[in-house]
Amino acid sequence: GEDVEQSLFLSVREGDSSVINCTYTDSSSTYLYWYKQEPGAGLQLLTYIFSNMDMKQDQRLTVLLNKKDKHLSLRIADTQTGDSAIYFCAERAGGGNKLTFGTGTQLKVEL
Amino acid sequence: NAGVTQTPKFRILKIGQSMTLQCTQDMNHNYMYWYRQDPGMGLKLIYYSVGAGITDKGEVPNGYNVSRSTTEDFPLRLELAAPSQTSVYFCASSHGGGPTDTQYFGPGTRLTVL
Repeated sequence: GEDVEQSLFLSVREGDSSVINCTYTDSSSTYLYWYKQEPGAGLQLLTYIFSNMDMKQDQRLTVLLNKKDKHLSLRIADTQTGDSAIYFCAERAGGGNKLTFGTGTQLKVEL
Repeated sequence: NAGVTQTPKFRILKIGQSMTLQCTQDMNHNYMYWYRQDPGMGLKLIYYSVGAGITDKGEVPNGYNVSRSTTEDFPLRLELAAPSQTSVYFCASSHGGGPTDTQYFGPGTRLTVL
């Protein structure tokens, strides 16, 4: 079955890099996504990666995918207080349009 | 564009009551979705629609109904509210159903059933 797991909390200092990790079980995953949820708001798509890619960079965000280990990570460089939020990874399996979300990682950025 | 709007923002229901959660999008998107988010959990898909007049079940449809009479609106109905339906409900829409079609989310409705 499909299962997506994340650690629940991460705390970093402003200016440091944050690395949020995610593991998934479905080997047929085609696309993997990172969403950001700020307090009281809906989810906002940050970035996605296709399963045949190892890395994708978008400004301060770097996504790394290890398909062999089914491990996905999101690195935020120069983390700012505005990056404090819950980050969800999600996978899309096969040709369907269903997304399976992880439990979310709450990132706290301290001064 | 307002994007995806949801009403109400908060609601408290008694067991057995019914209510409709409203969702409207002004982006002319074909696909619309309802998710629920339980504390400490990821989102789970309740129902989705690929266009006006077409709806389909998601992962957790029991206890809910939907309709899609127009492109813009996708209401979610709870007929007999139960404490297990206490959750935050998110509506989302996307232009298409492909993997790179971004889903845009509304701000959510926080529902408590007592």
